[in-house]
Amino acid sequence: NSKVIQTPRYLVKGQGQKAKMRCIPEKGHPVVFWYQQNKNNEFKFLINFQNQEVLQQIDMTEKRFSAECPSNSPCSLEIQSSEAGDSALYLCASSLGASGNTLYFGEGSRLIVV
Amino acid sequence: GEQVEQRPPHLSVREGDSAFITCTYTDPNSYYFFWYKQEPGASLQLLMKVFSSTEINEGQGFTVLLNKKDKRLSLNLTAAHPGDSAAYFCAVIDRGSALGRLHFGAGTQLIVIP
Repeated sequence: NSKVIQTPRYLVKGQGQKAKMRCIPEKGHPVVFWYQQNKNNEFKFLINFQNQEVLQQIDMTEKRFSAECPSNSPCSLEIQSSEAGDSALYLCASSLGASGNTLYFGEGSRLIVV
Repeated sequence: GEQVEQRPPHLSVREGDSAFITCTYTDPNSYYFFWYKQEPGASLQLLMKVFSSTEINEGQGFTVLLNKKDKRLSLNLTAAHPGDSAAYFCAVIDRGSALGRLHFGAGTQLIVIP
């Protein structure tokens, strides 16, 4: 049973629409990761946070995504303008620390862009 | 950067047989290794975390082998049963990834035939 809670499980958006996903990390885990898993099961790292601060993000995330982890609120990942290629499973994971700690994953939010 | 190759992409075995999955990685500085199991519609479930100092790691119904010389990580499911049917992913953290990013293999879809 996953202790990382992701919502919604599914979302369907039209091209150009915003798509927002949320994640509640496991209690006591200050580090949160977002990964994209495509239909070929390839994982792409998107961004990670330690508490409210961004540790690292890829170019795509910086340009097209909006992500945050406010204190006392769920973390969120939002695609500003959805594209067909964004259709994927978005996985949130949390860990006790950034370096070498085990990542515990949520069940993911599956985005379909039509 | 780190490249992780996983083989085979698909594997079918009969109940009671062994299932063997291998990953090779490129960065000799990699020091944490993970195996995850993903059932359809479910989260990535951690099977085992392996440290670079441990070559043989026993789990419940499986063994993980780490060959640092060959840069190879293997998962051997002994006496597989239908409940083992799932996608399996290896993942690697290298020393350069102080921010905890995982590099995933492309996955192995395992089917255990009753």
